[in-house]
Amino acid sequence: EVQLVESGGGLVQPGGSLRLSCAASGFTFSSYEMHWVRQGPGKGLEWVSFISSSGGTMYYADSVKGRFTISRDNAKNSLYLQMNSLRAEDTAVYYCARQFYYGGQSGLAFDIWGQGTMVTVSS
Amino acid sequence: QSVLTQPPSASGTPGQRVTISCSGSSSNIRSNTVNWYQQLPGTAPQLLIYGNNQRPSGVPDRFSGSKSGTSASLAISGLQSEDEADYYCAAWDDSLFGWVFGGGTKVTVL
Repeated sequence: EVQLVESGGGLVQPGGSLRLSCAASGFTFSSYEMHWVRQGPGKGLEWVSFISSSGGTMYYADSVKGRFTISRDNAKNSLYLQMNSLRAEDTAVYYCARQFYYGGQSGLAFDIWGQGTMVTVSS
Repeated sequence: QSVLTQPPSASGTPGQRVTISCSGSSSNIRSNTVNWYQQLPGTAPQLLIYGNNQRPSGVPDRFSGSKSGTSASLAISGLQSEDEADYYCAAWDDSLFGWVFGGGTKVTVL
C-alpha cells in the first residue's frame, strides 16, 4: 500500500524549533518529488515547501523562507522539515504530499497525502 | 487572503448539481493546469481532479472540472450525502514560484 506517515509534531514555544518527519512506503520514494503543505486551525491549505527527487532543488513559500529547511534521505525513504524560529502563525497540521507528474508543461499534482502531524506554537 | 478565490460555501439537495468556482490570474490559472482536492471531515486532502478535468482512478464521474481563462470550476452532479466536504482548487503560480490554493468551499448536502 502506498503510504506517507508524518511524525514529530507537538507543542513548542515561540522562537523554538521542531523537526518533522514523513516516512514513505509502498513506492520508489527516490523517484518522486515531495512537498509539505500545512493547514491552520479552521483554515485552508497552504503550500510550504518542495524538494526534488535527488534533494538538490528546494523551494519555499515566502512565509517560511529562511526559517524552514526541507530535506530527504532516499536511503531511509524519509522526508523532513526542520522548522526554526517558530511563530504562533506556524500553528497548523503539516502534511507531506507526493508530487505526481501526468504530462505536459505543467502537469503536476499532489496524488498521495499523509494523515498530518499537528504543530502548536504557544507559550 | 488566498491567491485563488473560491466561495466559502455551496449547498444542494441530494441529486442536484452543485458548481464551485475558482478565480485566479494570468500567472496561475491562465498559465497552468488546475487541480482540485476533496477534504472529508477530519481527514487529509485527496486528489479529486487533475489537469483541469481529469479524474484519478476511483473518483466517480459525477465529479467534473473545467477551465477557461483565469477561472476554473468544479461540478458535482447527482449530489450525494457523502460529498459533504471541503473542496480546494490549486495551481502553480509563475510569479510567486510556488503552489497556490483557493480558500476552500464547504459543500453541504441539505
